[in-house]
Amino acid sequence: EAGVAQSPRYKIIEKRQSVAFWCNPISGHATLYWYQQILGQGPKLLIQFQNNGVVDDSQLPKDRFSAERLKGVDSTLKIQPAKLEDSAVYLCASSEGAGEGYNEQFFGPGTRLTVL
Amino acid sequence: GQNIDQPTEMTATEGAIVQINCTYQTSGFNGLFWYQQHAGEAPTFLSYNVLDGLEEKGRFSSFLSRSKGYSYLLLKELQMKDSASYLCAALDSNYQLIWGAGTKLIIKP
Repeated sequence: EAGVAQSPRYKIIEKRQSVAFWCNPISGHATLYWYQQILGQGPKLLIQFQNNGVVDDSQLPKDRFSAERLKGVDSTLKIQPAKLEDSAVYLCASSEGAGEGYNEQFFGPGTRLTVL
Repeated sequence: GQNIDQPTEMTATEGAIVQINCTYQTSGFNGLFWYQQHAGEAPTFLSYNVLDGLEEKGRFSSFLSRSKGYSYLLLKELQMKDSASYLCAALDSNYQLIWGAGTKLIIKP
């Protein structure tokens, strides 16, 4: 079974530039998550999708971050414009379902973003 | 507020046993996860506990006490490849994962 795919793996940009990340979850997984992980910290949930609807985006800085999941499969996360503090690893994860019960999250390899 | 506490860093010797503790305070509780994360890699699932007690899986075991808001991950017969960060995460009443900052485990020969 193929895992969660993400691209690019690494990205270096200058502040105020724009950047986009792509995620392809495990086939059949209804729920997709985008996390931001700053070095030395645990993952911070940015947005959670169930199929193509948003379940939780309470921690997404909506003035600069946006995300979409068209057709309930692939997803893109965009930052426009980037700030120095956005330097982090952006992890995408997916799970079969969400809500009640046990839902193991499977993570992609992440995109390491450096903002100069 | 919701909070997960775990030690920042621990050091242990190859072949030994180490216990990584985690305490949690969440609005509601629907289980606790442990994930392993090697440097520069994504987290990978280790265990899930929702009932009190010890769950054993090979060299790794995880314990949960719901009344104390406490869990630990026990690693036996430590190998150099176990050097990684170990993330504790609790599932709250909305089934959202609340993550700890992770414990960096350093294994010495």
